[in-house]
Order: sequence, then C-alpha cells, then structure tokens
Amino acid sequence: DAKTTQPPSMDCAEGRAANLPCNHSTISGNEYVYWYRQIHSQGPQYIIHGLKNNETNEMASLIITEDRKSSTLILPHATLRDTAVYYCIVSRQAGTALIFGKGTTLSVSS
Amino acid sequence: EPEVTQTPSHQVTQMGQEVILRCVPISNHLYFYWYRQILGQKVEFLVSFYNNEISEKSEIFDDQFSVERPDGSNFTLKIRSTKLEDSAMYFCASSERQRTNEKLFFGSGTQLSVL
Repeated sequence: DAKTTQPPSMDCAEGRAANLPCNHSTISGNEYVYWYRQIHSQGPQYIIHGLKNNETNEMASLIITEDRKSSTLILPHATLRDTAVYYCIVSRQAGTALIFGKGTTLSVSS
Repeated sequence: EPEVTQTPSHQVTQMGQEVILRCVPISNHLYFYWYRQILGQKVEFLVSFYNNEISEKSEIFDDQFSVERPDGSNFTLKIRSTKLEDSAMYFCASSERQRTNEKLFFGSGTQLSVL
C-alpha cells in the first residue's frame, strides 16, 4: 500500500489560507488521494479526493503534483471551526477499506 | 444531507459482558464498515461488510467480534465478552459502492467504556 507522510501539527490564523501538505511518493497510477478530517472526537468527515487533476469543492481545494508524489489540501479561508485532525489517505485497491494514519492536527486561532 | 446514525452514543458495560452497537447506514448504501478509535490514538479499521458477508477484516477483528445486518436498515457490531482494552469510540461508516474513488460517510460514534 502507498504510505503517506504528513506533518504532525500546523497552525493557521483565522481568515488565512491553510495549506496542508502530504507526501505519497509510492503512490500507484490508479490510486486516489483522499482527504478526511476529524473534529474533536466526531466521526471522520470526507473533504475531497482526486486522481491526477486538481480538484475543488465547497470545502477545499486539492492540488496534486504532476508526478503525483505529493499533494496539498487548501482551506482558502480557515475558520476556528476548521480546527481538526486532517488525514491524507491513499486508497488501496477497490474493495478494500480506507486506512487512517496519524494525520495533521490543524489549529486555527483568532 | 443523509447521515449515518449510531446508537447508543455512550455505552458502559462490565468486563466480560456482551455488547451490541447499532448503526443505521444511509438508505441506498450497500457497503458498511466499523472502525474504532482508542482515546488519543488513530482511527483503526475493523471490518467491512457487503451482501451479508464480511468483505475484509483487520487483525483486531478476532473471534470476539461479529457483525450482522439483521434487517434492511440496521448494521450491528457485537462484542461477545468485552475486555478493558475494548474501551474506545466505535464508528460505523457506509458507502454507496466500493470503488477506488468512493467516499465513506461516518456516524458520530458510540463511546464504549468497559469497567
């Protein structure tokens, strides 16, 4: 399975963009990059996913490098409610479960 | 937005007792999962379930655990004889399909405390 590496923690000022990096240098050609987050002790929440192209939805943007070895999740205007643990996950083959790592704890402060 | 519902939100039990955690997945979803998270640790995969059988399970999911979809709506996790180390938050999740680009929807969890 492709493994991911994320910084354990990051800080961001409220209203600024939060850029969360993820390294997945062993990713295979058909593996997707997923981002989930977990606010306090709630259930993980899906944010966004992508294969090759950059993706944007109402929550965030996902930038994947051309060689697909790394990606960045961008929260364009972070709020206090975005304080959470953010997980970058590379999906395994279809029919297998998502496996969570330790993620990045993002702290947004005013 | 449709959501995965889990009951109870908190469950306290004595060591050695059986517990059943209940989940109602999103209605048109076909794939179901249980995860758990011990306090301060990462979210761990337990088991996935499709078409009334287990698709995949982790090393954690031993003979003490079982899953069932007793009717068309509920998905349950049973722990036969609870141990202190089973104390954790248990999350149910569901997905519509099981493709490499499918997203999972998680419930808010059941906090299990084994005394």
